[in-house]
Formats: sequence, C-alpha cells, structure tokens
Amino acid sequence: DVKVTQSSRYLVKRTGEKVFLECVQDMDHENMFWYRQDPGLGLRLIYFSYDVKMKEKGDIPEGYSVSREKKERFSLILESASTNQTSMYLCASSFIGMEASHEQYFGPGTRLTVT
Amino acid sequence: AQTVTQSQPEMSVQEAETVTLSCTYDTSENNYYLFWYKQPPSRQMILVIRQEAYKQQNATENRFSVNFQKAAKSFSLKISDSQLGDTAMYFCAGHKLVFGQGTRLTINP
Repeated sequence: DVKVTQSSRYLVKRTGEKVFLECVQDMDHENMFWYRQDPGLGLRLIYFSYDVKMKEKGDIPEGYSVSREKKERFSLILESASTNQTSMYLCASSFIGMEASHEQYFGPGTRLTVT
Repeated sequence: AQTVTQSQPEMSVQEAETVTLSCTYDTSENNYYLFWYKQPPSRQMILVIRQEAYKQQNATENRFSVNFQKAAKSFSLKISDSQLGDTAMYFCAGHKLVFGQGTRLTINP
C-alpha cells in the first residue's frame, strides 16, 4: 500500500512564525503536490514537484515556498504565517506521466490554525 | 485556465438508494483525464474512479459509475445501492490538477 504521511495532524502557530509542513511518501513517486482545502473552495494547488530540487508554482503560491531535497520528502514552508493561511493542508504524490494522468495518493492532512 | 464546477454542495439520500453527483468542467485540451475522489470524515482522500477523455466507454468500478458527456463537458458520478460507508466529501478533479468545490454526501440509515 502506498503511504503518504504528514508530520502533524494539527498545528497551531502565531502570526509571523515560520512554519514547516513535511510530507513523506514511500512509493518512489516522482510527483509530489501540496494543496490547501477550504470549505466551498475545494482543493487548490499551491506547488508541485516532478523531481528532486524541481518545483512548479500552482494556482496559489503566494506566501508559500517548498523544498524537495530527497525524492520521498516534500516540504511546504510558510515564511511568515498569517491568519488567512489557516486551512487544511493536503500533500499528495503520484507516478510521473502525462500531467495529471495518474492517480494521486493523499496524506491525512494537517489542519493549521494561525492565531 | 481549466475550471471544474460541482453545483451541489450537499446531498442526502437513504441507504440503498441511487445518487448522482454532478460535475462540469471546461478545458481546451482534446486528451485529458477526469477523476472522482472520496474523502471520508477524518480519513484520507482516495480515488473512486478515473475516466480517460479519449475513451468512449464510461468508467465503472463496482457500484460507482460515471456518465461522461465529452461534448457537454459533463462528468457525473452515480453511486448505486448506496451504503453508510459512502458518506463522505466527493471531489471531481480534472486536467491540470484542478478540483471542484466538493459535494458532501450523507447516506442515512
């Protein structure tokens, strides 16, 4: 079974703090993704990576950065957390192929609250 | 940019009934993939079904099937003989990693 794990299920941070969300997958997938999930808005892509040290901006990259130093690990960084970044963050991975042709495997999510 | 729209924020049916979730999308591509994902309460999102646009035949997975109308850009999910375990958020997802707003489906005993 594919496993995608995220470092925390719940996280509470203060405005201005630097926040790291970590994601690890164990299926040797090339692609990894970070989404945020908000009620009424569905999932929105923040960043994705198709290889180590490679990254592509998604639809809402502002205020976020990412790091992929190893194939299995993809980190999302909030440089200076703000209250409008309070959300559920989902990590996903998939095999490489035609863009978005393969099933994505999701982690359990991190519910981040910024106060 | 591609858009995916789910116009039913919430639905509720009785166990064993058939329910259809709607999804429309917009794309200028000719070959693409469409997906339905399920997110049970407090559990990880999983793939329900996938459709390749160049295939005429509608995808089916056990009690789950799609009605794919390429010309109308419509991709609805039908759940037959619904079960309590089908209670979840359902997301339609299209090409270019775009997801719809989600439909919260509740199956009542």
